Amino acid sequence: DGGITQSPKYLFRKEGQNVTLSCEQNLNHDAMYWYRQDPGQGLRLIYYSQIVNDFQKGDIAEGYSVSREKKESFPLTVTSAQKNPTAFYLCASSPKGEYYGYTFGSGTRLTVV
Amino acid sequence: RKEVEQDPGPFNVPEGATVAFNCTYSNSASQSFFWYRQDCRKEPKLLMSVYSSGNEDGRFTAQLNRASQYISLLIRDSKLSDSATYLCVVNSASKIIFGSGTRLSIRP
Repeated sequence: DGGITQSPKYLFRKEGQNVTLSCEQNLNHDAMYWYRQDPGQGLRLIYYSQIVNDFQKGDIAEGYSVSREKKESFPLTVTSAQKNPTAFYLCASSPKGEYYGYTFGSGTRLTVV
Repeated sequence: RKEVEQDPGPFNVPEGATVAFNCTYSNSASQSFFWYRQDCRKEPKLLMSVYSSGNEDGRFTAQLNRASQYISLLIRDSKLSDSATYLCVVNSASKIIFGSGTRLSIRP
């Protein structure tokens, strides 16, 4: 079955450490997205990519970096510059073009220890 | 004013009841609208799109009121399994904006 796989499900980060969250999809979707969700808040867009080797900053890109070397993969690195990284991170994908709804991965819950 | 606003709830209703909640949006040029369902500590899942003429999917009815800039979701004959957070999503000038969600709790 096609879908999006995020790993790990839970991640603990020490202060000053960079961590990378994995997102892989086999839906043949062109566009991929990273969102952050904090308790009681809506999803906020971190980065998105419409095509391989190209990506754009979203609303809260500071302290994060991404790459899109393959259509199937869109990893997110949370750098030490992100001062408040504890959150639920969601990866999503969609076909390119008009928005008809996202398919989301099951998320990664990141906690700073 | 937030671009997309929802009453956070929680709405606590008995099983079998009808419940409705709204979502307001600020950009009158917004193009398309959706409701997502998110279970506790899970990812959001697309529940239904919202069309100008309104649309129904089983016990769920979605309506769009462009004049007043809100969309609504009506759930009839509510089930325990309907307990979740319902997110309103607006496509505004090709920017996808998520509301913060309305929590719904169905009690036996």
